[in-house]
Amino acid sequence: DIQMTQSPSSLSASVGDRVTITCRASQSISSYLNWYQQKPGKAPKLLIYAASSLQSGVPSRFSGSGSGTDFTLTISSLQPEDFATYCCQQSYSSPWTFGQGTKVEIK
Amino acid sequence: QLQLQESGPGLVKPSETLSLTCTVSGGSISSSSYYWGWIRQPPGKGLEWIGSIYYSGSTYYNPSLKSRVTISLDTSKNQFSLKLSSVTAADTAVYYCARDSSGYNLLDYWGQGTLVTVSS
Repeated sequence: DIQMTQSPSSLSASVGDRVTITCRASQSISSYLNWYQQKPGKAPKLLIYAASSLQSGVPSRFSGSGSGTDFTLTISSLQPEDFATYCCQQSYSSPWTFGQGTKVEIK
Repeated sequence: QLQLQESGPGLVKPSETLSLTCTVSGGSISSSSYYWGWIRQPPGKGLEWIGSIYYSGSTYYNPSLKSRVTISLDTSKNQFSLKLSSVTAADTAVYYCARDSSGYNLLDYWGQGTLVTVSS
């Protein structure tokens, strides 16, 4: 299985901050990398697919980049509704696997 | 707007079989563009993909669960189902159903999730 490792596991930030989360795959996954946002008690929500494509309806302050083994999710200006857990998922090789998540908390 | 809704028992005894159904509305599970999948999340932990099924009935499963998992379709009811046999406390989790878009295998629509507890 392809292992997905996120960093950091948690971070504290203020409204308006630029936030970057990293996801690293244990082997090359080309651009088969998706990002999700999850709020407590809710299902994950797709934000970014194919490493850098913004899912319909997702605000443009979210962006993704990377290919191969290293990927980043960036929130350009953190908003109150963005405090949540973010996780990556590789869809290059079955079984699809997820990162352990990065919790973004209010500073 | 596509909607998915999980249903099934919230409590299952150890060694028994967990059975859940996902009802899809606002779209057909017979579309050739999509798979339909199950994902679970133990309390306080990360997401684990269980498996997916295509409209044709072909399935693919996580090898870690493959010996215990069956996913099936009922196109007449626009539903797909999960059966997980010989459950233990380690199978306690929130179980989600989701649409798995073939091509990039992104999970773009999710059910709200249902907590299944394995306990005697």
